[in-house]
Amino acid sequence: QVQLVESGGGVVQTGKSLRLSCAASGFTFRSYGFHWVRQAPGKGLEWVAVIYYDGKNQYYADSVKGRFTISRDNSKNTLYLQMNSLRVEDTAIYYCARDGVGIHLDSWGQGTLVSVSS
Amino acid sequence: DIVMTQTPLSSPVTLGQPASISCRSSQSLVHSDGDTYLSWLQQRPGQSPRLLIYKISNRFSGVPDRFSGSGAGTDFTLKISRVEAEDVGLYYCMQATQFPPSFGQGTNLEIK
Repeated sequence: QVQLVESGGGVVQTGKSLRLSCAASGFTFRSYGFHWVRQAPGKGLEWVAVIYYDGKNQYYADSVKGRFTISRDNSKNTLYLQMNSLRVEDTAIYYCARDGVGIHLDSWGQGTLVSVSS
Repeated sequence: DIVMTQTPLSSPVTLGQPASISCRSSQSLVHSDGDTYLSWLQQRPGQSPRLLIYKISNRFSGVPDRFSGSGAGTDFTLKISRVEAEDVGLYYCMQATQFPPSFGQGTNLEIK
């Protein structure tokens, strides 16, 4: 079955960097696009970034543009989110989610918590 | 950017009774390809979000048929025909017609 497992979260200070990973299994990874979506404590869902199946196109929310980079390694079935210049407001659970054909965000991981302190 | 507005934000419901959540978008969600990329997600307490409905009215794999979606253009509705205890949680509408994808604020479904 489809499985997405995030890792790499933790506690960091403002201005520092962190790299999240999302390991995929149970389907043909290279055929799908993927999103990162975050959820601040007690808040709603916020879309962060997307990368398409071939890795050639990525798009970002304005709030992270220039600081975050989404990438993928199809040989390792893994999605990444490099987060630089972290801010307190980046504190959230970060989820990876699969982008199906015409069915967006059809499968989600369990999330990884990023906590940024000043 | 498209703004998604859900009502109500909180919905106390009696077990076995129906429930309805509305979602309105600030612009039409009809894509140039003719489809409308409006989805509904469920987030049970302490869990990740889960896709329930895609393209307005299509139930995703494994979703009980008591969940249904309807609507067109800018106005959409999620209905639960008979609420069960496992339906407690947050419900989000989401649009993926136009970048960036955006979510409603969430509706908290709780049992009376």
